[in-house]
Amino acid sequence: NAGVTQTPKFRILKIGQSMTLQCTQDMNHNYMYWYRQDPGMGLKLIYYSVGAGITDKGEVPNGYNVSRSTTEDFPLRLELAAPSQTSVYFCASSYVGETEAFFGQGTRLTVV
Amino acid sequence: TQLLEQSPQFLSIQEGENLTVYCNSSSVFSSLQWYRQEPGEGPVLLVTVVTGGEVKKLKRLTFQFGDARKDSSLHITAAQPGDTGLYLCAGSGSSNTGKLIFGQGTTLQVKP
Repeated sequence: NAGVTQTPKFRILKIGQSMTLQCTQDMNHNYMYWYRQDPGMGLKLIYYSVGAGITDKGEVPNGYNVSRSTTEDFPLRLELAAPSQTSVYFCASSYVGETEAFFGQGTRLTVV
Repeated sequence: TQLLEQSPQFLSIQEGENLTVYCNSSSVFSSLQWYRQEPGEGPVLLVTVVTGGEVKKLKRLTFQFGDARKDSSLHITAAQPGDTGLYLCAGSGSSNTGKLIFGQGTTLQVKP
């Protein structure tokens, strides 16, 4: 069982570059989330989706974009990378709200 | 804006001691979840509390949901080095919009 799969696991970007963090889940979950986690801190919600075609902003959406064309995939796009976006990014999914969220292994991003 | 405040942010104790972690908000939550995260991994669900005043036990861990459903606590009895990790509370609010937000976490270090 793959669960939630994130790629890549590590990435170094130069300031101003763009990239897409990939997230896919094979549990047929409706809800999907993107979080960022800074060292020793909790998770800040970037964007979330309650189903294919539906996305909404979280707590820290600036500098990011998402799309949800299928139930399985929820990519996160970074445009014009900035040093402040250096963080660990986690994708998660849940069947419906308030049920257990399953997390991917994370993507460690460094912007230099 | 719904916020979850956790305290303390950092706790370092000796093996065998007891401890309590708090998760507080000014907002009402229909449920709260507690997760544990180890370095390099995504968070893993420990428990979900749903009913005001509810108490759940998981071996040496006791979770309580406040009567007003605005706060929760995690009590660990006779802590062990294996309990070391980041403990996170999370909730999606009374309207269950799917916006799952996390507290800033409590880093627990249990020394042998």
